Amino acid sequence: AQSVTQLDSQVPVFEEAPVELRCNYSSSVSVYLFWYVQYPNQGLQLLLKYLSGSTLVKGINGFEAEFNKSQTSFHLRKPSVHISDTAEYLCAVSDLYNFNKFYFGSGTKLNVKP
Amino acid sequence: GAVVSQHPSRVICKSGTSVKIECRSLDFQATTMFWYRQFPKQSLMLMATSNEGSKATYEQGVEKDKFLINHASLTLSTLTVTSAHPEDSSFYICSASGGMSGANVLTFGAGSRLTVL
Repeated sequence: AQSVTQLDSQVPVFEEAPVELRCNYSSSVSVYLFWYVQYPNQGLQLLLKYLSGSTLVKGINGFEAEFNKSQTSFHLRKPSVHISDTAEYLCAVSDLYNFNKFYFGSGTKLNVKP
Repeated sequence: GAVVSQHPSRVICKSGTSVKIECRSLDFQATTMFWYRQFPKQSLMLMATSNEGSKATYEQGVEKDKFLINHASLTLSTLTVTSAHPEDSSFYICSASGGMSGANVLTFGAGSRLTVL
């Protein structure tokens, strides 16, 4: 089975500063990787996904992530954050054989300060 | 794009009653839907996989008699929390694959917050 680790439960950052949210996964087979954003009391919105091809993936709202197979990581980055980026960010993994079965990390709360 | 609607968004009920939550795919057909549960400050826990026209597949540790799932059509899955107790209070989120997002991307509903008094 797959598992996802998000080591940082909270990341405080000032507005316009860069940010990186870390995600590491464990899997014995090829994986698909996702980042979702969740605003308070709302569902999840897909930020970006890695299915195959280029390891650098660009998503919505200026976010990008890089798939690193050797380090089993899929860290999320944004060069300059805004107050509106304050939210919970969840990393998820599925695999080639059960691509609809998602396993989520525990989430990282990004808190952007003015 | 793919849209998943979930209803109700909030529900408060008395202990011992049953509550039904609906999950609809609005602009696409979803043969498979998924139900998650989220505890405060924790991640989403997959409860069950709902397949249209067949029985749901429950994850280990999830009581299928407590959480009844019905997927009667290609656009509707329901989760019924039977004889709810305060420990069932949680945020329940459904998701579906398919539509414009593709088969291997999940679209999530906005969630339903259940509070059992």
